[in-house]
Amino acid sequence: EDQVTQSPEALRLQEGESSSLNCSYTVSGLRGLFWYRQDPGKGPEFLFTLYSAGEEKEKERLKATLTKKESFLHITAPKPEDSATYLCAVEADDKIIFGKGTRLHILP
Amino acid sequence: DSGVTQTPKHLITATGQRVTLRCSPRSGDLSVYWYQQSLDQGLQFLIQYYNGEERAKGNILERFSAQQFPDLHSELNLSSLELGDSALYFCASSVGAVGYTEAFFGQGTRLTVV
Repeated sequence: EDQVTQSPEALRLQEGESSSLNCSYTVSGLRGLFWYRQDPGKGPEFLFTLYSAGEEKEKERLKATLTKKESFLHITAPKPEDSATYLCAVEADDKIIFGKGTRLHILP
Repeated sequence: DSGVTQTPKHLITATGQRVTLRCSPRSGDLSVYWYQQSLDQGLQFLIQYYNGEERAKGNILERFSAQQFPDLHSELNLSSLELGDSALYFCASSVGAVGYTEAFFGQGTRLTVV
């Protein structure tokens, strides 16, 4: 069964404390992996698309990487405004499957 | 502002009723996607339309249907509503059809079935 699992479910960090969020997937025919940020009561905001193992993308304090089984979203020296839920999604065989997200809280 | 407009923002209705949610995609985007987000299930892909044609189908119930019109706006129709249909419904749009590419989400419609 196609599946996307994100861990941890929730993460609390001090401002400036770097960490990584994990997205592991089991799908056939992966076309792409996507990271989104979602603030409470709002629609997800697109961050990155990764297409092949070894690919990396960066945006400000965020860096996404992809292997054959999982993706990581690295957050370097986070700030309180980085607090949000981070969602991972994969497209495979005309299906789009989202993980349940990691709720990230950055303490000032 | 993503450029994707969803109406209404909030909807409260009774069980057994039918509602229509509307989505206007970003200018130039030909694909529209519908999602349901609930606390226990996360974000569930329902259906995708590309330039008026259904392109991909996810976990969409038979009581639900959608269409995309010539002006590219889309409507999601939910009928015989049940309490469990209460959720946030999101629409997203993107330029292409093959490959998900960069999709932009609207602010959602919060549906409450009482």
